[in-house]
Amino acid sequence: AQKITQTQPGMFVQEKEAVTLDCTYDTSDPSYGLFWYKQPSSGEMIFLIYQGSYDQQNATEGRYSLNFQKARKSANLVISASQLGDSAMYFCAMREIYNQGGKLIFGQGTELSVKP
Amino acid sequence: EAGVAQSPRYKIIEKRQSVAFWCNPISGHATLYWYQQILGQGPKLLIQFQNNGVVDDSQLPKDRFSAERLKGVDSTLKIQPAKLEDSAVYLCASSLGTGNEKLFFGSGTQLSVL
Repeated sequence: AQKITQTQPGMFVQEKEAVTLDCTYDTSDPSYGLFWYKQPSSGEMIFLIYQGSYDQQNATEGRYSLNFQKARKSANLVISASQLGDSAMYFCAMREIYNQGGKLIFGQGTELSVKP
Repeated sequence: EAGVAQSPRYKIIEKRQSVAFWCNPISGHATLYWYQQILGQGPKLLIQFQNNGVVDDSQLPKDRFSAERLKGVDSTLKIQPAKLEDSAVYLCASSLGTGNEKLFFGSGTQLSVL
């Protein structure tokens, strides 16, 4: 069974608009963390944002925010005011603290293209 | 602060040959990871070390892949013999621990097996 599911292989957004990238996860571990990484065409993996399972508020980092809905097991990334430099692959990842020794599992990714 | 160092950046070999990748994590990071990323897919965890001990290697094809982390610092990943399907980017990452600490990734080694 997929632990992390990203159902959007590709997304388009107009520059300066907001975009939401979907991520759902599956775990029985009460303690886990959710991460989003960006991978431009250069190949580097860039950390964007983190949400812990016990965090009461949704995480925000500049133009990035995480819409965390624990009951639905979803952790969608919202990028506000998209920029051309946001065009990249975006990966959602989950770390299960107790059950899996803290290993980080990635989804299949969503390719975001920002149009001028 | 120096990042995660990996070498080589690119490697081309023929099938059945052997190859080794090297990774130097960020100083002080106890946890080291090797991921395989096939084109168009998300990274797949091959092996995770905590200091010099293996935490998880459940997805490491142990008949051909091996990895070690001597003295809990540098790590090498070896493939012997390589197959065509091993063509991928091999990413090394490190983190302080395994809680909410983010992973820092190296630039990766792009392997092409012909």
